Amino acid sequence: DTGVSQDPRHKITKRGQNVTFRCDPISEHNRLYWYRQTLGQGPEFLTYFQNEAQLEKSRLLSDRFSAERPKGSFSTLEIQRTEQGDSAMYLCASTHPGTTYEQYFGPGTRLTVT
Amino acid sequence: DAKTTQPPSMDCAEGRAANLPCNHSTISGNEYVYWYRQIHSQGPQYIIHGLKNNETNEMASLIITEDRKSSTLILPHATLRDTAVYYCIVRVNNDMRFGAGTRLTVKP
Repeated sequence: DTGVSQDPRHKITKRGQNVTFRCDPISEHNRLYWYRQTLGQGPEFLTYFQNEAQLEKSRLLSDRFSAERPKGSFSTLEIQRTEQGDSAMYLCASTHPGTTYEQYFGPGTRLTVT
Repeated sequence: DAKTTQPPSMDCAEGRAANLPCNHSTISGNEYVYWYRQIHSQGPQYIIHGLKNNETNEMASLIITEDRKSSTLILPHATLRDTAVYYCIVRVNNDMRFGAGTRLTVKP
């Protein structure tokens, strides 16, 4: 257990539905990252926050995806109108201000779109 | 970002050193080499990083060639728990971009 928690751990949804995932980073960590990982591939960067500011978004983050970190603590990732191609593991990571090279990953949320 | 090339898989005998290579021939002077690993069903875990000099910590050693075009991660005494996918990442800053990595299998 790294101290980063994600909820839910598993989500099954029907195509077209909206889903929201939550990430709670380690409390003093100011950077928070979201990744997506499909079977057999490494994690793909989606976006990251420094405190409440979203500083970078990948081209993978289509208009259907939105992430927030309103108070610089927990973050949410919402996917609207889910598609089967959204099925993946969604990982969250955070870093301490002094050691930003070491990302602490949560256990992930596995999304299955049927 | 510089591209990295890693073998897709490797085997290692338990108790022996595991040497995982990574090629990054287009690395630029200010790019760091990072290594992470991912054990099945878990998130990635930071191992070590370096710029020019060789580095060692409690988990592993990182050997970077003088021209910085390649590096090797060394697990000195591999155990069954070291079976994982190992990722070599080259970045200017700390925002990781993971490739497919090397699947290391430690065998008894």
